[in-house]
Amino acid sequence: DAGITQSPRHKVTETGTPVTLRCHQTENHRYMYWYRQDPGHGLRLIHYSYGVKDTDKGEVSDGYSVSRSKTEDFLLTLESATSSQTSVYFCAISESGGTGSHYGYTFGSGTRLTVV
Amino acid sequence: AQSVTQPDIHITVSEGASLELRCNYSYGATPYLFWYVQSPGQGLQLLLKYFSGDTLVQGIKGFEAEFKRSQSSFNLRKPSVHWSDAAEYFCAVFNQAGTALIFGKGTTLSVSS
Repeated sequence: DAGITQSPRHKVTETGTPVTLRCHQTENHRYMYWYRQDPGHGLRLIHYSYGVKDTDKGEVSDGYSVSRSKTEDFLLTLESATSSQTSVYFCAISESGGTGSHYGYTFGSGTRLTVV
Repeated sequence: AQSVTQPDIHITVSEGASLELRCNYSYGATPYLFWYVQSPGQGLQLLLKYFSGDTLVQGIKGFEAEFKRSQSSFNLRKPSVHWSDAAEYFCAVFNQAGTALIFGKGTTLSVSS
């Protein structure tokens, strides 16, 4: 979507290796989110950020870490990739957080990660 | 805890027919509700949202949704479906802390000719 890009778009990695996914925004939005999408599960929140260096866990955060050193970038790291982390990962941004987000979220196009 | 249920995993509708996708939520106070659509291989796009006021909300692409507090529902409707509406649809609600959206598992819409 305009203003938010995810990289890489596709990645295949081996079990046990670290992997970093990047989300970059040009909207100067304060809030950024990482979700994973799996068949039958919809989207589940991994981590989110409410400002530079301010992050918090979502419902499926085990095995993942995040960093946000600049407003525009939100990195998701799989510390030691496992096959259960094979998924499509979506980044989202929001100008306001929580219930102040009257415009909802803007989503990136996703990163398809396969762990073999 | 807040939750969203989309009872229908897959729905097939004939082109030109009407559509209703169901969404039920669990939330203590007035919920903030959303419908998103995802075309194959794409990210999610916001269709419409409800925060307060008029319980019938209009969205993009001819979609509308009605908030019914008594039924804890926020069903999505369209009077006449087009082939391009084939996609996956997600209902979402803010969590109680108001920090993030909780999504339902989605409903896949197929459109037959």
